[in-house]
Amino acid sequence: GAGVSQTPSNKVTEKGKYVELRCDPISGHTALYWYRQSLGQGPEFLIYFQGTGAADDSGLPNDRFFAVRPEGSVSTLKIQRTERGDSAVYLCASSLDRGPGNTIYFGEGSWLTVV
Amino acid sequence: GENVEQHPSTLSVQEGDSAVIKCTYSDSASNYFPWYKQELGKRPQLIIDIRSNVGEKKDQRIAVTLNKTAKHFSLHITETQPEDSAVYFCAASKDYKLSFGAGTTVTVRA
Repeated sequence: GAGVSQTPSNKVTEKGKYVELRCDPISGHTALYWYRQSLGQGPEFLIYFQGTGAADDSGLPNDRFFAVRPEGSVSTLKIQRTERGDSAVYLCASSLDRGPGNTIYFGEGSWLTVV
Repeated sequence: GENVEQHPSTLSVQEGDSAVIKCTYSDSASNYFPWYKQELGKRPQLIIDIRSNVGEKKDQRIAVTLNKTAKHFSLHITETQPEDSAVYFCAASKDYKLSFGAGTTVTVRA
């Protein structure tokens, strides 16, 4: 596709429910990232995939958060037992390869609201 | 980990004037410094970046300077226009992980 695509664009869920957020990276990009952006803040790193494997998941806040990328393209961020503090914009990004020489392109984000 | 501080948090300028945003970083191993522009409800978009082997880079009305010794870098926007109004984020990286500043809300007054 022309850019990083994320669905849903908006999600309202009740506290305690399970949510899945999907990311379709730019075609051919091997590196995929998830970031979380709270209101008035810069994006914060959650997880990085190189191909199918999660190379760095050090930014995931706790074990309620999990992400997969089974075929090395589309990725899904999964949040169990959602809490009101999980409300934020979840941004997916991709780059052709890893490393500082590779521009990271962001999607429009999935706005998650936990009520 | 890397800590990036960004100032000011808000900036109001008259159309046609210049805007300057400054960032400092903590990890001397960081070697890539992108700047992103984010309009309300939209994705962050890369507007310019600089690598540590370069001290300055310019692209039309936008320029970035880097001082590795002092560990700070700055974004300069000249001849500001209303469409420059947005939130600007600096970031620093030494590998694949971007560490962002808290953002600067720039308002260009007509």
